[in-house]
Amino acid sequence: RKEVEQDPGPFNVPEGATVAFNCTYSNSASQSFFWYRQDCRKEPKLLMSVYSSGNEDGRFTAQLNRASQYISLLIRDSKLSDSATYLCVVNNRGSGSYDKVIFGPGTSLSVIP
Amino acid sequence: DVKVTQSSRYLVKRTGEKVFLECVQDMDHENMFWYRQDPGLGLRLIYFSYDVKMKEKGDIPEGYSVSREKKERFSLILESASTNQTSMYLCASSQAVLAGGWEFFGPGTRLTVL
Repeated sequence: RKEVEQDPGPFNVPEGATVAFNCTYSNSASQSFFWYRQDCRKEPKLLMSVYSSGNEDGRFTAQLNRASQYISLLIRDSKLSDSATYLCVVNNRGSGSYDKVIFGPGTSLSVIP
Repeated sequence: DVKVTQSSRYLVKRTGEKVFLECVQDMDHENMFWYRQDPGLGLRLIYFSYDVKMKEKGDIPEGYSVSREKKERFSLILESASTNQTSMYLCASSQAVLAGGWEFFGPGTRLTVL
C-alpha cells in the first residue's frame, strides 16, 4: 500500500460547483499535513496546512480525521483559476532525528466555464 | 518572501555527460530536498539534507549524488547522465517540519538527456 493515496481524477466540474478531494495515509504516527497546489508546468506551492480541528481559508476547507487516517479538501464556488493539481502531503518522523515528507500523487481538477 | 532558485530552467545534455543542478535558498532553512517529477509517478524524493555536509538517500538515489557545502546551497549531480534521467527536477527547502515548517519549491529544471 502506498504511504499517501489520492484519487488521481481528473475531476471536471462546472464553475460554481463544490468539489471535494480525499487523501488517505498509512502511517498512524504521521504528525503534520498539508495541501499543495501545482499549476501546469509550475512548481508545487503550499495551499494550506491541515489541523485536527479543521481549518478554512475563504472557499477552501481542510479536514483531518486521525482515527481514519484521512484528509480532505473542499473547494466551494469553484473558479476557473482553481484548475490545477492538488497534492496531499504528510510529514512523518523518519528514522534517526529527521522528518520524512511524503507527497501524494495528486488529484487533477479542471473547472469548466 | 522565501526564494528558492535553481540554476537552469531548461537543460539538454548528452548520455554519459556529468550534470550539475544547483539550488540556492535565501531563508536560512535547515532542510533541503531534491525531487524528480514524472507524469503518472508524481514527486519522488532523490536525496535530502538536514544540515551542512549531511545527506540522506531518498526513495530513488541511484545514479545521483548530492553536495551541501554551505547551508544555502544544495547541488544534485548526475555522474553519467542517462536517457531515463530525463525529467523535471525540483529543489525544495524548509524549516524543521516539527516546527510547522513546510516546503518551498524552486521553479524546477526540465532536463532532457539525449
